[in-house]
Amino acid sequence: DQQVKQNSPSLSVQEGRISILNCDYTNSMFDYFLWYKKYPAEGPTFLISISSIKDKNEDGRFTVFLNKSAKHLSLHIVPSQPGDSAVYFCAATFFGNEKLTFGTGTRLTIIP
Amino acid sequence: GAGVSQSPSNKVTEKGKDVELRCDPISGHTALYWYRQSLGQGLEFLIYFQGNSAPDKSGLPSDRFSAERTGGSVSTLTIQRTQQEDSAVYLCASSLTGVATDTQYFGPGTRLTVL
Repeated sequence: DQQVKQNSPSLSVQEGRISILNCDYTNSMFDYFLWYKKYPAEGPTFLISISSIKDKNEDGRFTVFLNKSAKHLSLHIVPSQPGDSAVYFCAATFFGNEKLTFGTGTRLTIIP
Repeated sequence: GAGVSQSPSNKVTEKGKDVELRCDPISGHTALYWYRQSLGQGLEFLIYFQGNSAPDKSGLPSDRFSAERTGGSVSTLTIQRTQQEDSAVYLCASSLTGVATDTQYFGPGTRLTVL
């Protein structure tokens, strides 16, 4: 039972354009969401998060949007840079539950 | 400061053998997690340690898997009688307090291959 789904295994975007990565979840208890970025042979690194009391959180070039009614979140990267090429994982949890539930990841390739 | 370290980085073993994977968390972090990533899958939670509390073992897939954390620091994940389906990247993470909103910092992982 995949509670967090990333339906696009890969995405290619031209440098300078916007990258949009999507994530859907099924568990209504989730109230905290995160995006992690992973380079080959490295562990995932935290990128940005959002609490369910918000619908948007911005940090520099990265913005996460949350649509609770649709149980959907997205990560926008603008402008996209070659160093953004990595696998992006969406994760979710809820307060009182310390473990993260991850999606299967989306491999983002930025084309110079 | 130093991040989370894991050893070995790669481990190849034969079916039926036991393996031990080691994790050194960030100094001062009270919470430690083990996850694994099988081919084409997301990260799957295995076990969680928080301070001196009993660990949350709810993600361990079978009784062949066990983990311990000695002295509130280093952790060892042991897989007994390994099977081919145990092949995966095993990732360790630590966080300062263990609450849900606390950032988890991941190590580079141990790639386990069971032949």
